[in-house]
Amino acid sequence: GENVEQHPSTLSVQEGDSAVIKCTYSDSASNYFPWYKQELGKGPQLIIDIRSNVGEKKDQRIAVTLNKTAKHFSLHITETQPEDSAVYFCAALETSYDKVIFGPGTSLSVIP
Amino acid sequence: GAVVSQHPSWVICKSGTSVKIECRSLDFQATTMFWYRQFPKQSLMLMATSNEGSKATYEQGVEKDKFLINHASLTLSTLTVTSAHPEDSSFYICSAARAGGPSDTQYFGPGTRLTVL
Repeated sequence: GENVEQHPSTLSVQEGDSAVIKCTYSDSASNYFPWYKQELGKGPQLIIDIRSNVGEKKDQRIAVTLNKTAKHFSLHITETQPEDSAVYFCAALETSYDKVIFGPGTSLSVIP
Repeated sequence: GAVVSQHPSWVICKSGTSVKIECRSLDFQATTMFWYRQFPKQSLMLMATSNEGSKATYEQGVEKDKFLINHASLTLSTLTVTSAHPEDSSFYICSAARAGGPSDTQYFGPGTRLTVL
């Protein structure tokens, strides 16, 4: 089955700096990779996703890159703001069972 | 669009009682809804997948008789925790995939925190 790893588990950055979170997956057939932001006590919010037919996708300050050969994908947040502080989960579609498998999460703290 | 609500947001119950959690897609129809469980500082663990009008598919290790799921309409799924015990205390989150849209794109509800005394 699909195994998703995520690094780092915690990340602190100064406001205005960039943050990068990296994930790897094991199912070479996976073709869908969403990223979720979860604030304390709330449900996850889909912030960006990418499918395997593209290598990069950007939405304002957030971008995701995908390297299918290496089976890894990354989330890039530029010009970080305190409100970006949250736990971020990457995920990958497990094609055998058509379900999304989540990584363990990264707790991002943006220091004002 | 793609708003999912859950009710209640927080529930405290005595051991041995049953608790029902509702998940609604407010502005779209959802052929598939998912139920997750999340312990503190951990990732989301899929419990079951429910399709409207059919029986839910449970993940390995999840007791279907304890966690009853009903997906009666395209906008409502319910999770009933039967005979709850303290170890069932957790954050329960549902998500929904939009009918006619990619089945893998999920929109999450705000979660329900269950505390069993």
